[in-house]
Amino acid sequence: EVQLVESGGGLIQPGGSLRLSCAVSGFTVTNNYMNWVRQAPGKGLEWVSLIYSGGSTDYANSVKGRFTISRDNSRNTLYLQMNSLRAEDTAVYYCVRDFCSGGACAFDYWGQGTLVSVAS
Amino acid sequence: QSVLTQPPSASGTPGQRVTISCSGSNSNIGSNIVNWYQQLPGTAPKLLIYSNNQRPSRVPDRFSGSRSGTSASLAISGLQSEDEADYYCAAWDDSLNGYVFGTGTKVTV
Repeated sequence: EVQLVESGGGLIQPGGSLRLSCAVSGFTVTNNYMNWVRQAPGKGLEWVSLIYSGGSTDYANSVKGRFTISRDNSRNTLYLQMNSLRAEDTAVYYCVRDFCSGGACAFDYWGQGTLVSVAS
Repeated sequence: QSVLTQPPSASGTPGQRVTISCSGSNSNIGSNIVNWYQQLPGTAPKLLIYSNNQRPSRVPDRFSGSRSGTSASLAISGLQSEDEADYYCAAWDDSLNGYVFGTGTKVTV
């Protein structure tokens, strides 16, 4: 059974740092494209970051230079290091698998999300 | 900031057909496949339609998708109460070098 379990969210002051984790079971993180997607309270979905199976990464302009996506092969875990946090980063953060076949990709597995609240 | 535009709401009575539009540009929908996601209240989104018009096996055939030019649409036929949810389109954007989501549409039955 596939499971993605996020952790690490919480209340943090503006300018602070937080690291989110996503423990994966049922498939190998390094063999897949993995993403972080966030959703501010009462708002829509926003893509945050992608790590390709080869290890290269992409980021939304809103987080570039502040957030870093990474993975730990031995733990089969995805991470999101978030620095210089702002109020507008407040959101539920989802860990998402990007399944690709025949050149087409889709987010087929989502975690339950972890809430990050940035406030003083 | 969402790059893909959807109507904020859509509604219908049980059994009716509802269509949701998703408008983009040449750099996203015009160049790449569109996926649709359903988010039931209080839960994580789920994949509903992939590659413009393909359904995962668990998704009933009441749901269908299409793409034409820089727009896409999702149709729900035989509307049921359990279809009340938020629906999002998404595509890769070649200019932004990242995924973009639609603004989301809340369907009320």
